[in-house]
This record gives sequence, C-alpha cells and structure tokens, in this order.
Amino acid sequence: AQSVTQLGSHVSVSEGALVLLRCNYSSSVPPYLFWYVQYPNQGLQLLLKYTSAATLVKGINGFEAEFKKSETSFHLTKPSAHMSDAAEYFCAVSDPMIYNQGGKLIFGQGTELSVKP
Amino acid sequence: NAGVMQNPRHLVRRRGQEARLRCSPVKGHSHVYWYRQLPEEGLKFMVYLQKENIIDESGMPKERFSAEFPKEGPSILRIQQVVRGDSAAYFCASSPLWQGSDEQYFGPGTRLTVT
Repeated sequence: AQSVTQLGSHVSVSEGALVLLRCNYSSSVPPYLFWYVQYPNQGLQLLLKYTSAATLVKGINGFEAEFKKSETSFHLTKPSAHMSDAAEYFCAVSDPMIYNQGGKLIFGQGTELSVKP
Repeated sequence: NAGVMQNPRHLVRRRGQEARLRCSPVKGHSHVYWYRQLPEEGLKFMVYLQKENIIDESGMPKERFSAEFPKEGPSILRIQQVVRGDSAAYFCASSPLWQGSDEQYFGPGTRLTVT
C-alpha cells in the first residue's frame, strides 16, 4: 500500500531564508508525486507534480522539488521565503497503474509553514 | 472558467439529521473525488466517481455515507444521521481523465459542523 510521511508538522523560517519541507513516500511501483498548498479556509492548489519525467520539478511561486528514488523522497524547496508562503503544504502520491483505483491521492499529514519577518 | 464549486461552504447540522454536500466539477471533467479533512489531519480519500458510476469507494464509511454523480447535475455526498465525529471539511476534486498523473482541481470545501 502506498503511504506518505511528511517530517515536521510545523516549520518556521525567516523571510528570505531557505524553505525545506520534507516528504518521503512508500510505493511498490514508481509513483506520481504531488505537492499541494492550502491557504486558510480554502481548497488545495497544485504547486508541482512528478510524473516520471525530469527528476527536478519546478512549480509555481518559485517552488521546486526533486524526486530521489534511492531515498524515496520528494522534498519541496524554495530558495527565499516570502511572507505570502505561509500556509499548509501537503505531499501526495498516486498509483499510475491501477485502473480501478483511478488517480486517488494519498496525502501526508501536512506541514504548516510559518514565515517570520 | 469556473473551477470546482462546492455548496454550501458551511453547514451546521444537529446529531441525527442528514447532510447533503454538493460538488460541481470543472466544466468538461467527468471524474470526481471526495476527500475528508479532519481537524489537524491531512486529507483522506473517500470515493471516486465517474458519471453515473462509483469506481472506488474504499474510503467511504460502510454506514450512513453515500455518494452519487448523476448524468446531469452535481455530485452529491450524503451523510445520514450525522454524529459529532462527522464534523470535518469535505473537499471535492475533479479531473479530466482517470490517469493518476492528472492534476486534480479542488473545490473550496464544505465545512460541516455537527452540534
């Protein structure tokens, strides 16, 4: 069964500092991986996704993530945090091969990012 | 282009009442997913539907919960005889194809409070 673990439920950085949000996955087949962002009282917005092409994926708002098969990781980074980045971030995995399960997403527990001025 | 629409945004029900949550997918999308987000937790998959078909309901509680996606109209998540533990945010997502590589577009959610 697939699963996702996000290390650290809360991460706090200073404005302008590096953002690193960790995600490790468990999957018996090469998965599809996603990072979503959720602002308070809103739905989820896709930041980026990995679908077996380039291992370094660039997303919106300056975020990027690198797929490392050997480490089963898909960590999210941003070189310089902005106040507007404060939100909850979710890593998710889907199985590309099982037709009957479609593309259901398995989410991690989420990481709340705080940005200090 | 309208995104995924959910209504109501907030719903308050007393224990034992029924809750009906509606989801209108992105125009042209024929695949709908429902997820539940309990306080302080991530989203949990509930059910995956295509038009007039339930494809995967492995995340649905066995009792009191049902979902449909009729040929015409929105997808409905129905919770009968609600209990306090049903209080959560319910998110609907849609995608154009069934493939796992496709982005799912999320609605703003319905926040259900059971008193």
